Amino acid sequence: DTGVSQNPRHKITKRGQNVTFRCDPISEHNRLYWYRQTLGQGPEFLTYFQNEAQLEKSRLLSDRFSAERPKGSFSTLEIQRTEQGDSAMYLCASSLGQTYNSPLHFGNGTRLTVT
Amino acid sequence: DQQVKQNSPSLSVQEGRISILNCDYTNSMFDYFLWYKKYPAEGPTFLISISSIKDKNEDGRFTVFLNKSAKHLSLHIVPSQPGDSAVYFCAASERGTGNQFYFGTGTSLTVIP
Repeated sequence: DTGVSQNPRHKITKRGQNVTFRCDPISEHNRLYWYRQTLGQGPEFLTYFQNEAQLEKSRLLSDRFSAERPKGSFSTLEIQRTEQGDSAMYLCASSLGQTYNSPLHFGNGTRLTVT
Repeated sequence: DQQVKQNSPSLSVQEGRISILNCDYTNSMFDYFLWYKKYPAEGPTFLISISSIKDKNEDGRFTVFLNKSAKHLSLHIVPSQPGDSAVYFCAASERGTGNQFYFGTGTSLTVIP
């Protein structure tokens, strides 16, 4: 399977705990995105990498959130001191190209539930 | 502030008929538009896109129409099939301001056999 892979698929955690999600993009894709989706809403942009450089972060991304993409390959998204409002589907996407008009290819997401 | 809007949360269509899904946007600087389809428990899947230099793009049963003056785009599916039942999201992006794609809230399409 050469699509975008996300792990775990589901994560249940207690409020105040830290969680980390992993995304493996399509291998030749140089761009990687994290989005968050809550019930009844469309995906909301969190952050974007081109290769290993994090080039853009949404104001939705509080200082409890950190994302990395070492060596421009896989990426991790960590949420520290989770809150119930963090419960959502976290989607990773990748794309290829140097221009803005390349479609995103999404993984199946990690569903986070904070109790 | 929702820059991409899908005002119809749901749509039901008979198999074989045309499905028309609508999307409006407020940012006149958007110049690349996409439609995604999403099944439950899966991530969105790219369907079709259109650049602002065009007003129509077709791919098999799927056609996207763009009306820049009205800031409106639509997705036509002809003929509709039961397997098309899913949530459809439109998305838009703007050259030169970064790499965000702005998504609408989605329209749930049900194709009735």
